[in-house]
Amino acid sequence: AQSVSQHNHHVILSEAASLELGCNYSYGGTVNLFWYVQYPGQHLQLLLKYFSGDPLVKGIKGFEAEFIKSKFSFNLRKPSVQWSDTAEYFCAVNAPHTNAGKSTFGDGTTLTVKP
Amino acid sequence: DAGVIQSPRHEVTEMGQEVTLRCKPISGHNSLFWYRQTMMRGLELLIYFNNNVPIDDSGMPEDRFSAKMPNASFSTLKIQPSEPRDSAVYFCASSPGTGTFHEQYFGPGTRLTVT
Repeated sequence: AQSVSQHNHHVILSEAASLELGCNYSYGGTVNLFWYVQYPGQHLQLLLKYFSGDPLVKGIKGFEAEFIKSKFSFNLRKPSVQWSDTAEYFCAVNAPHTNAGKSTFGDGTTLTVKP
Repeated sequence: DAGVIQSPRHEVTEMGQEVTLRCKPISGHNSLFWYRQTMMRGLELLIYFNNNVPIDDSGMPEDRFSAKMPNASFSTLKIQPSEPRDSAVYFCASSPGTGTFHEQYFGPGTRLTVT
């Protein structure tokens, strides 16, 4: 079964700092990859997704993620964070040829941006 | 589209009572998911449906939990009898296809408190 690991449980940054959140998955086959964001008191929303093609994916609000197949990783990055980026971030993996329709979520990383 | 609709948004009940959570997926979406989110356990997939059929209920914690999807536009998650440890935010999400090339759209959640 696939699993998703987010190594950083809580990240604290100052505004304008650069961000990188790690996401590793365990599955050897074809995968679809997602990052979701959950702002305080709100529901999860999609930030970006990767299905195929260019492994560098750009999402909303200046976020991007890079799929590195050899490392089974899909790390999320933002060059300069803002206070409004304070939220919990979830990486999710979906294996198209197994568990159709089901995504496995990581435990989430809480990002706190200090003004 | 109004997005995924969940009701109620908040529910406070006493231990032993029956609780029913409701979800209306986005029209045209074929997959529906029920999640539970707590501080201790993070985001857990409870059950998901494809075309109204339950595909994987391995995440349902115990027999006190049951879920139904009588038609494409409505699903319920029932807890009977409820216990304090069931207190959590319950999210419903839907996805456009039975395939895996789509992200999930989350509802606003139901915050359940069992006293």
